Amino acid sequence: DGGITQSPKYLFRKEGQNVTLSCEQNLNHDAMYWYRQDPGQGLRLIYYSQIVNDFQKGDIAEGYSVSREKKESFPLTVTSAQKNPTAFYLCASSISHQQREKLFFGSGTQLSVL
Amino acid sequence: GQNIDQPTEMTATEGAIVQINCTYQTSGFNGLFWYQQHAGEAPTFLSYNVLDGLEEKGRFSSFLSRSKGYSYLLLKELQMKDSASYLCAVRSNYQLIWGAGTKLIIKP
Repeated sequence: DGGITQSPKYLFRKEGQNVTLSCEQNLNHDAMYWYRQDPGQGLRLIYYSQIVNDFQKGDIAEGYSVSREKKESFPLTVTSAQKNPTAFYLCASSISHQQREKLFFGSGTQLSVL
Repeated sequence: GQNIDQPTEMTATEGAIVQINCTYQTSGFNGLFWYQQHAGEAPTFLSYNVLDGLEEKGRFSSFLSRSKGYSYLLLKELQMKDSASYLCAVRSNYQLIWGAGTKLIIKP
């Protein structure tokens, strides 16, 4: 079955450490997204990519970095510059970045600070 | 600014009907999505409305009024598995703006 796989499910970060969240999709989708979900708030876009080797900043990109070297993969690095990284991180994909396209989500990674 | 409002939490009884409202104020409008999210899991797509009116899909229906900036999700014959958060999102000028979600609690 096609889908989006995020790993790990739970991740702990130490002070000053960079951590990388994995996101892989086998849906053959061009567009991929990273969202952050905090209690009581709507999803906030961190980065998105419309095509391989291209990505754009979302609303809250500071302290995060991404790469899109392969169509299937869109890893997110949470750097030490992100001072409040504790959140639920969701990766998503869509056929394209067009208006009507619905998003397919991974099952998320809960990141916590030690 | 751009804003989407949903009730934070609602409670309903198994077998009953519940309506979850979503109001929005955005600079543009290119469609409204509803997603269901069980705790700690992936949001899953429920419906998409771009024209005014009611879209029915089994036990779930979604309504849109663009002139009022208003949508609702109607869930009929509630089941315990419907206990989840329901997220409203508006597509506005190539952005997708999300509400904070409504947590629906189903009681036996």
